[in-house]
Amino acid sequence: DAKTTQPTSMDCAEGRAANLPCNHSTISGNEYVYWYRQIHSQGPQYIIHGLKNNETNEMASLIITEDRKSSTLILPHATLRDTAVYYCIVRAPSGTYKYIFGTGTRLKVLA
Amino acid sequence: GAGVSQTPSNKVTEKGKYVELRCDPISGHTALYWYRQSLGQGPEFLIYFQGTGAADDSGLPNDRFFAVRPEGSVSTLKIQRTERGDSAVYLCASSAELAGRGEQYFGPGTRLTVT
Repeated sequence: DAKTTQPTSMDCAEGRAANLPCNHSTISGNEYVYWYRQIHSQGPQYIIHGLKNNETNEMASLIITEDRKSSTLILPHATLRDTAVYYCIVRAPSGTYKYIFGTGTRLKVLA
Repeated sequence: GAGVSQTPSNKVTEKGKYVELRCDPISGHTALYWYRQSLGQGPEFLIYFQGTGAADDSGLPNDRFFAVRPEGSVSTLKIQRTERGDSAVYLCASSAELAGRGEQYFGPGTRLTVT
């Protein structure tokens, strides 16, 4: 079973920030948080990952709470092309490196 | 550079037939994964290769499913005696797995339909 829980769906107005929450209350100390998205009929695309510090790249920002039990992916200026299913995954950097996907959050960016 | 490629993009087969799905990972990536995705669900792990060996095949649903990666690059997922329940999108991903923190790069998938 997935170790994360996410809302099933969210809407966001184009040009506004999209904040996608993820709960991972059972996360272990060495597990990283990864975010991927899947645009219709494509394979999942890597967005960002982090361990405990907040991270930012050209696509998004990742905010991880101090207790690491939850995180938020922020798309600062959502566009219509950001409409996708977003997956939050936790994974340890050892052993089997497989991802266990949940059902993700279906983000719809509205014009 | 070139990403992960998968062939064919679509495969329609009759129940009971044998199929092979191919994955070409990103050059130099030592780790390779197969996932299966049913409609409306997230991808489900099938098997993980590190180099030529299957390091974890715990996700293969039964012994009709088998995968190989003989030279540590291209991988083939093989399904014998296909069933209608095998219909899904089969995704391949590769990773450099640098100290276990490498992100996975996914291919576009092969849509398998068993009639």
